[in-house]
Amino acid sequence: QVQLQESGPRLVKPSQTLSLTCTVSGDSVTTGDYYWSWIRQHPGKGLEWIGYVYYTGGTYYNPSFKSRLNISVDTSKNQFSLRLNSVTAADTAVYYCARDLRHGNWFDPWGQGALVTVSS
Amino acid sequence: EIMMTQSPDTLSVSPGERVTLSCRASQSISSNLAWYQQKPGQAPRLLIYGASTRATGIPAKFSGSGSGTEFTLTISSLQSEDFAVYYCQQYDNWPPYTFGQGTKLDVK
Repeated sequence: QVQLQESGPRLVKPSQTLSLTCTVSGDSVTTGDYYWSWIRQHPGKGLEWIGYVYYTGGTYYNPSFKSRLNISVDTSKNQFSLRLNSVTAADTAVYYCARDLRHGNWFDPWGQGALVTVSS
Repeated sequence: EIMMTQSPDTLSVSPGERVTLSCRASQSISSNLAWYQQKPGQAPRLLIYGASTRATGIPAKFSGSGSGTEFTLTISSLQSEDFAVYYCQQYDNWPPYTFGQGTKLDVK
């Protein structure tokens, strides 16, 4: 059974960097069939895809984030990570990691989510 | 960017009823559409991909249809565990993948 789990600071100050890590169990991030995605959900709102990383380190980002986003993979730890720079209160959201079928591009499964609050 | 619009925003239905949710794309996305269910405090769960293929473990009471720009998700014989928010997602033209705003199923 594949499981994903987000971890990282839940409170970030404005202008600083939001950092989250997703640990994958039951599958390997080096499986060539999948991308590894980050998706966020503002409180009480809909879903917004942020970007994905492939096991090779290749990435694809939502253009809305491109200038301040970095997604990376650590194959030795079976993890992938999100770094979002220069955050504001508008970045307060639940951040999910999810497995993204490479030849399909739907998300399954998802992590349980991490609420990150941007506040001083 | 492809815009996904779901209707209605909220649907009040009684247990046991059959309900149909709609999702419209701003341009043709062929059958490259997925549906998700999200319960309060939980992550979304994949229900349908390819517009009409149920994901592993999803009961037959959930069915999807459509292609091009118009899609529907039908849920038969609603039970208490089906009252949730449902999202559609296109993966035809990306980046970015885009989601609808969601339809909330409420108990009447």
